[in-house]
Amino acid sequence: DGGITQSPKYLFRKEGQNVTLSCEQNLNHDAMYWYRQDPGQGLRLIYYSQIVNDFQKGDIAEGYSVSREKKESFPLTVTSAQKNPTAFYLCASSKAGRTDTQYFGPGTRLTVL
Amino acid sequence: AQSVAQPEDQVNVAEGNPLTVKCTYSVSGNPYLFWYVQYPNRGLQFLLKYITGDNLVKGSYGFEAEFNKSQTSFHLKKPSALVSDSALYFCAVRDISGSARQLTFGSGTQLTVLP
Repeated sequence: DGGITQSPKYLFRKEGQNVTLSCEQNLNHDAMYWYRQDPGQGLRLIYYSQIVNDFQKGDIAEGYSVSREKKESFPLTVTSAQKNPTAFYLCASSKAGRTDTQYFGPGTRLTVL
Repeated sequence: AQSVAQPEDQVNVAEGNPLTVKCTYSVSGNPYLFWYVQYPNRGLQFLLKYITGDNLVKGSYGFEAEFNKSQTSFHLKKPSALVSDSALYFCAVRDISGSARQLTFGSGTQLTVLP
C-alpha cells in the first residue's frame, strides 16, 4: 500500500447524496485507476487516467465521475445516479509503460444507508 | 477481449504442504499476467508478474508461478504453505497486442492454510 493513500477508510452515505473518495500517490506515476470490488466478483474498472486532464471510462463508469487536475490526485465521485454504490473502492497507480505493475491503495469501504 | 478464470473459489491446504492456486486466461495476442494478494479490508499487494522469458516466475514471500502457453494457464505455487498465507488471491491479465491498458481480474480464490 505504500505511496498510495485513500481517504476515508470507511464512508457512510444516505441515498441521494453524492460523495467523493480521495486518492493520492507520491510515486510519480503517470497512470491512475479506480476499481470497484464486490464479493465474489473480483475487481471491475470504473475509470482510468494516463495523464493529467485526461481520463477514460472503464467497464462500469455509469453513476461515477472523476477528475485529474494534478498528477498526484485522482478523486472519484459516486453520484446519486449510481444505483448500488455499496462496495469496496480501490485506487491504483502505475508508470506509463504497458508492462508496468499497478500498485494499490488501502481502499475505501462505502456503505449506503 | 481478454478474460481470466480462477476456477476455485476456495482452496484449503495444510500448513507445510505445497499449495497451488489456479488461473487460466484468454487473450487474442500475447499476455501479460499478474498475481496479487489481498488481506481482509486491505488493498491488493503485488506478488509477481510474467512479461516474457522464463516460464517460471519467482515473486514475493516465496511464491512462484508457471506460465504455460499451450494450456493458457498461470498457476500460483508455493512449496510450503504458511498459516499467514491465508488470504484472497487474484490473477490478472493484459493483452500485449491490445490497445486497452487496463487489467482484467479474475474473481479471486480464497486460500486457507490450516495449522
